[in-house]
Amino acid sequence: KQEVTQIPAALSVPEGENLVLNCSFTDSAIYNLQWFRQDPGKGLTSLLLIQSSQREQTSGRLNASLDKSSGRSTLYIAASQPGDSATYLCAVRSLNSNSGYALNFGKGTSLLVTP
Amino acid sequence: NAGVTQTPKFQVLKTGQSMTLQCAQDMNHEYMSWYRQDPGMGLRLIHYSVGAGITDQGEVPNGYNVSRSTTEDFPLRLLSAAPSQTSVYFCASSSGGGNTEAFFGQGTRLTVV
Repeated sequence: KQEVTQIPAALSVPEGENLVLNCSFTDSAIYNLQWFRQDPGKGLTSLLLIQSSQREQTSGRLNASLDKSSGRSTLYIAASQPGDSATYLCAVRSLNSNSGYALNFGKGTSLLVTP
Repeated sequence: NAGVTQTPKFQVLKTGQSMTLQCAQDMNHEYMSWYRQDPGMGLRLIHYSVGAGITDQGEVPNGYNVSRSTTEDFPLRLLSAAPSQTSVYFCASSSGGGNTEAFFGQGTRLTVV
């Protein structure tokens, strides 16, 4: 069974810092990996999708990398802002899933960016 | 530009009551799924569907029922609500195939008293 782990569970940084969120997974046989943002009491917003054949994806101040062979992904946030405060979730879609194309989620990193 | 729409947003049920959580998508996606999110547990798959008329169980299916009569709709039924089903429920859809992006609804916050 695919296990997804996110470290750290919580992170507090001052505004303007560059930061890295980590995601690891146990089975490297994946279709893709997706990073989501979740604001308190809200739904999941897709940030970046990395296919298994890709090494990284960028969107604005966000850059996600994927090292499939080592089972790791990082989400890099440049020049953090208070509006970046949210929970960030990593999810993997596995080739060997017994549940079709279901996503396996990490428990998230709760980010607080202080002014 | 609706995407995935879930109703209701909030619901309080008494133990033993039944209800249906609605999920609709307007992107003609084949794959739809239901997750529940609990503190400290992350999101866990309840049921999924790979197309109209086809459903299957996920990781935590007990106490829930689903059907998929159309491509657009994938309702989740609680037959006899229990306090252990207090959770936030998310519906997701994708266009089928493993390489596609998943889109989520805004969630339904359910409390069973």
